[in-house]
Amino acid sequence: EAGVVQSPRYKIIEKKQPVAFWCNPISGHNTLYWYLQNLGQGPELLIRYENEEAVDDSQLPKDRFSAERLKGVDSTLKIQPAELGDSAVYLCASSLGQERAQYFGPGTRLTVL
Amino acid sequence: QKEVEQNSGPLSVPEGAIASLNCTYSDRVSQSFFWYRQYSGKSPELIMSIYSNGDKEDGRFTAQLNKASQYVSLLIRDSQPSDSATYLCAVNMNTGFQKLVFGTGTRLLVSP
Repeated sequence: EAGVVQSPRYKIIEKKQPVAFWCNPISGHNTLYWYLQNLGQGPELLIRYENEEAVDDSQLPKDRFSAERLKGVDSTLKIQPAELGDSAVYLCASSLGQERAQYFGPGTRLTVL
Repeated sequence: QKEVEQNSGPLSVPEGAIASLNCTYSDRVSQSFFWYRQYSGKSPELIMSIYSNGDKEDGRFTAQLNKASQYVSLLIRDSQPSDSATYLCAVNMNTGFQKLVFGTGTRLLVSP
């Protein structure tokens, strides 16, 4: 069974530029998550989807971050414009439900110059 | 008080020894708990989940949960150098919405 797929794996951009990350969850997993992980920290939730509905986006900086999950499968996370402080690893995860185990993709390492 | 607390380490153990990793959490009503292993430069990998008080064993790994003490631990028996990684404790909490809250991780070093 294929795991969570993310792309790109690495991205380097200048500040104020836009950037987008893509995620394809494990087949059959209705719940999809986007996390941000800084060095030496655990992942922090940005947004959770149940099918195509954003259930919890309370930690998503909505002035510059947006996300979508059309058709309840793939998801895209966008930052526009990027700031220096956005440099981090962006992780996508999926699960069969909120109480169930989450499985992570390989992540996208973003560097903002 | 942090929601999920772990000692950052490093925890150093010799090969073949038992490594004991500990985690405390703040939400008394949490019902699901997870341990993830994260190698440097890689994403977290699920190694154990536990939902009930007591012990759960899977190969060389044992997760222990004590809800009354709000404490969850991970034991790694016969530690190997390949177990050297950061171990993240994660707890499902109700913070308005249900969400998985991670500790900062404990770095484990297993020396040959």
